[in-house]
Amino acid sequence: DAGVTQSPTHLIKTRGQQVTLRCSPKSGHDTVSWYQQALGQGPQFIFQYYEEEERQRGNFPDRFSGHQFPNYSSELNVNALLLGDSALYLCASSLARGGLERAFFGQGTRLTVV
Amino acid sequence: AQSVTQLDSHVSVSEGTPVLLRCNYSSSYSPSLFWYVQHPNKGLQLLLKYTSAATLVKGINGFEAEFKKSETSFHLTKPSAHMSDAAEYFCVVSELYSSASKIIFGSGTRLSIRP
Repeated sequence: DAGVTQSPTHLIKTRGQQVTLRCSPKSGHDTVSWYQQALGQGPQFIFQYYEEEERQRGNFPDRFSGHQFPNYSSELNVNALLLGDSALYLCASSLARGGLERAFFGQGTRLTVV
Repeated sequence: AQSVTQLDSHVSVSEGTPVLLRCNYSSSYSPSLFWYVQHPNKGLQLLLKYTSAATLVKGINGFEAEFKKSETSFHLTKPSAHMSDAAEYFCVVSELYSSASKIIFGSGTRLSIRP
């Protein structure tokens, strides 16, 4: 059973471009959360998706948007990229009623904005 | 307001000696507290969790943490460090609001192990 799978593993984009990151949750999980981890920092919560809707959102601008598909996989979209968006983006999957301790994290997508 | 502070950005110990990673938190409610470990190119892994059942929490790989409400601390310890413990460690606080949780990660402590 594969755990949480994220793609791509690495990505380089230019300032102003748009990017889409993908996450496949662990089998049986229906909730996906996204985090941004800047270099030397802890992960920061971006948003969480459940039943194809954004259920909760952290303190991130509208340039950050997401989507969840009927198979529970999810995408994170970032528009008008800034140099400060360079970070490791982590996806975590869980069951809707599961706490953080029941979440499984992917290895992340390393985004570099130049 | 909810916050978490990891007091050391880098800790270096010799193999076989004790490990102490310090974490202080601030919370308006009764929080859940966690420690996670992040090895290079691997996903975050849960070490242990505190939810008010017992102040001393035992986790995986010989780690444990003690919740001290009077000091608002949740320090992570291990009696004897192993080379494989070298990694980044994160203290996390989580509060439940209605049906949603607010999760805050600390900035991390990098643990280095000297042979």
